[in-house]
Amino acid sequence: NAGVTQTPKFRVLKTGQSMTLLCAQDMNHEYMYWYRQDPGMGLRLIHYSVGEGTTAKGEVPDGYNVSRLKKQNFLLGLESAAPSQTSVYFCASSSPGGNGTDTQYFGPGTRLTVL
Amino acid sequence: AQSVTQLDSQVPVFEEAPVELRCNYSSSVSVYLFWYVQYPNQGLQLLLKYLSGSTLVKGINGFEAEFNKSQTSFHLRKPSVHISDTAEYFCAVRRGSGYSTLTFGKGTMLLVSP
Repeated sequence: NAGVTQTPKFRVLKTGQSMTLLCAQDMNHEYMYWYRQDPGMGLRLIHYSVGEGTTAKGEVPDGYNVSRLKKQNFLLGLESAAPSQTSVYFCASSSPGGNGTDTQYFGPGTRLTVL
Repeated sequence: AQSVTQLDSQVPVFEEAPVELRCNYSSSVSVYLFWYVQYPNQGLQLLLKYLSGSTLVKGINGFEAEFNKSQTSFHLRKPSVHISDTAEYFCAVRRGSGYSTLTFGKGTMLLVSP
């Protein structure tokens, strides 16, 4: 069981370039999430998905798009990168619990720098 | 909407000393509460969670937390810390019914020195 994996681990972009971050999970989880972590800001939710083919906006969705074409994968796209998107990006997945509770399992993160 | 306040951004402590990391939440409905830990250069992992029942919750690595509804708090404690407990700790809250996403606090860095 690899759990939640993220590709790539590091990336440097120039302003205006585009890229896609890939998240994969092998736990058959229904829910998947993308967060960004910035110093002193904690984790902020970008987008999430409650099932294959569905996505929803989180707290800070501007400048990002997502797709969930397969249950095990959740892609985060930056169409035109900006320096403000320099951050560490974490993917997480979870499965609904009995009371709607769910423990989120996190990937190792992708460190993105936009110059 | 729910919100979380972690009152301390850093907590320095000596090895084998007790520690308390503070977390207060705000919500107009019932909530579920979580503590996650992030070791350097890693993702987050769940330490413990409060869903219902006993207000004292025990987690991994000797940590425990107490849910106090009247104080709207969920403080994390450990009676004796180790160097290996050095990490960032995040409190998180979600609505206690139906599906909702997690709201994280800004984190508390626990620095354990010998």
